[in-house]
Amino acid sequence: GENVEQHPSTLSVQEGDSAVIKCTYSDSASNYFPWYKQELGKGPQLIIDIRSNVGEKKDQRIAVTLNKTAKHFSLHITETQPEDSAVYFCAAGYMDSNYQLIWGAGTKLIIKP
Amino acid sequence: DTAVSQTPKYLVTQMGNDKSIKCEQNLGHDTMYWYKQDSKKFLKIMFSYNNKELIINETVPNRFSPKSPDKAHLNLHINSLELGDSAVYFCASSQVAGGLLDTQYFGPGTRLTVL
Repeated sequence: GENVEQHPSTLSVQEGDSAVIKCTYSDSASNYFPWYKQELGKGPQLIIDIRSNVGEKKDQRIAVTLNKTAKHFSLHITETQPEDSAVYFCAAGYMDSNYQLIWGAGTKLIIKP
Repeated sequence: DTAVSQTPKYLVTQMGNDKSIKCEQNLGHDTMYWYKQDSKKFLKIMFSYNNKELIINETVPNRFSPKSPDKAHLNLHINSLELGDSAVYFCASSQVAGGLLDTQYFGPGTRLTVL
């Protein structure tokens, strides 16, 4: 079955710098790759997603890149701000997986003032 | 308007008790999920229902029993609670359209503490 590995588990960056979180997946059938942000005391919330027919997607300071050949995808946050501090999860899935996403273990992002 | 709501938000109970967590979504989605998040923040899928039909039933003790009375509700009943059941439980919903997975919307979570 699908397996998703996420690195690093904790990432500390200076405010204003960029942050990059990386995930690898094992099942080449996966075609949907969302990223979720979980703030303290709240449920995860989708921030950006990418499908396998696209190599990169951007939304303001957030971008996701996908390398299908290498089976990895990354989240890039530029000009980090204090409100970016949270736990970020990557996930991978495909329709025949019974609607299930396979989740990474999460990355705690700390923005230092 | 709350898209996915859960009750209660906090649940403190003794070992051996039986408890239920309720979840409702007003998004008109066909698919609902229950996740368990442990202290290390790992998200583990427990159950998934599509149109009231059980789709995913991961390796979860049979003390946990989901019930979906209709598409908008997915409740979780837990029998004979154990210390290891302490965690945050999240309900989520999504719309699977056109054969494509889509955004999962999460509820605020229920923090269960078993004493």
